[in-house]
Amino acid sequence: EAGVAQSPRYKIIEKRQSVAFWCNPISGHATLYWYQQILGQGPKLLIQFQNNGVVDDSQLPKDRFSAERLKGVDSTLKIQPAKLEDSAVYLCASSPGTSGYYNEQFFGPGTRLTVL
Amino acid sequence: GQQLNQSPQSMFIQEGEDVSMNCTSSSIFNTWLWYKQDPGEGPVLLIALYKAGELTSNGRLTAQFGITRKDSFLNISASIPSDVGIYFCAGLYTGGFKTIFGAGTRLFVKA
Repeated sequence: EAGVAQSPRYKIIEKRQSVAFWCNPISGHATLYWYQQILGQGPKLLIQFQNNGVVDDSQLPKDRFSAERLKGVDSTLKIQPAKLEDSAVYLCASSPGTSGYYNEQFFGPGTRLTVL
Repeated sequence: GQQLNQSPQSMFIQEGEDVSMNCTSSSIFNTWLWYKQDPGEGPVLLIALYKAGELTSNGRLTAQFGITRKDSFLNISASIPSDVGIYFCAGLYTGGFKTIFGAGTRLFVKA
């Protein structure tokens, strides 16, 4: 079974530029998550989708970050404009279920963003 | 916001030694999770704990859900070089979907 796919793996941009990341979850997984992992820290949830609806985006900086999952499958996360503090690894994860108990999350390899 | 305090931050051990790391929170969680992250990869789930007092093993790994529901520990017995990596605890609080991660314990194993 194919895992969670993310692209690109690495991206270097200058501050105030825009960037987009793509995620393709495991086939059939209803829930998709985007996390931000700053160097030396644990992942922090940015947004969680259940099918194509948003479950939680309370920690997404909505003035510059946006995410969509239009057909309930793959997803894009965009930053516009980027700031130096956005340098981090952006992890995508998916889980099979939709109910209120824990479903194991399967993580992709991440996209490492460097903002200069 | 909710925080998990994970300790130690890093450990340098000799191959064959046992390792113990723990996580504490000011909040009650109804699920505790332990993940391992290798360089350039996403975290991989090692053990999930669902009940206070639960003790669960996965090979050489053993984890426990504290009875207060505010802490958990992970033990690794007879460490080997491939145990090197970052170990994260994570918790889900009652009624929530959001997973809160600790800052990680970096494990270095010398052969």
